Amino acid sequence: QVQLVQSGAEVKKPGASVKVSCKASGYRFTNYYIHWVRQAPGQGFEWVGVINPSSGTISYAQELQGRVTMTRDTSTTTVYMELSSLRSEDTAMYYCGRTIVGSTHAFAIWGQGTMLTVSS
Amino acid sequence: IVLTQSPGTLSLSPGDRATLSCRASQSVSSNYLAWYQQKPGQAPRLLIYGASSRATGIPDRFSGSGSGTDFTLTISKLEPEDFAVYYCQQYGRSITFGQGTRVDIE
Repeated sequence: QVQLVQSGAEVKKPGASVKVSCKASGYRFTNYYIHWVRQAPGQGFEWVGVINPSSGTISYAQELQGRVTMTRDTSTTTVYMELSSLRSEDTAMYYCGRTIVGSTHAFAIWGQGTMLTVSS
Repeated sequence: IVLTQSPGTLSLSPGDRATLSCRASQSVSSNYLAWYQQKPGQAPRLLIYGASSRATGIPDRFSGSGSGTDFTLTISKLEPEDFAVYYCQQYGRSITFGQGTRVDIE
């Protein structure tokens, strides 16, 4: 079945980096964009960025420019999101989401989420 | 684009009709607006996209309407499993989400 499976929870110290993976299966990987969004505990959603797995084209949220890097590996149908210079405010559940149809950016398929805790 | 959802909390009973509002700070191009349901400890589930199209497998008691800056999600007859938090999202200009409306059992 169509699914996105994310890597496990992470605990990092301020200033460190983290790399979260999102493995896609059950569909043609290059046909749908993958987005990352995050949700701080008890809060709403913040968009992090998007990658086109076919071309590798990326767009990041302005607030995270310079600290976030998204990549993809078409051989393993996996998308990665790396966040550097971590701060306590980065503590959140990070989700990857696949577009419903090609470039229609509503998220029909979601990963299970990866909890990132940033604490000294 | 800032999305403002109202009310913050809706306290209703099973069988009631729920009407949730999402207002945008500027017009959402091509009605690129979606609604999601989220239950505790779970990822969101897409209900509506394109303002009024139901996603696959979504019951027809869920309906979306609106255009421009004012959008509505209606649940015609609440089932016990519908008590959750609902978010709107626009994808016409970057991506932003509303702050959510909690639908509680009265």
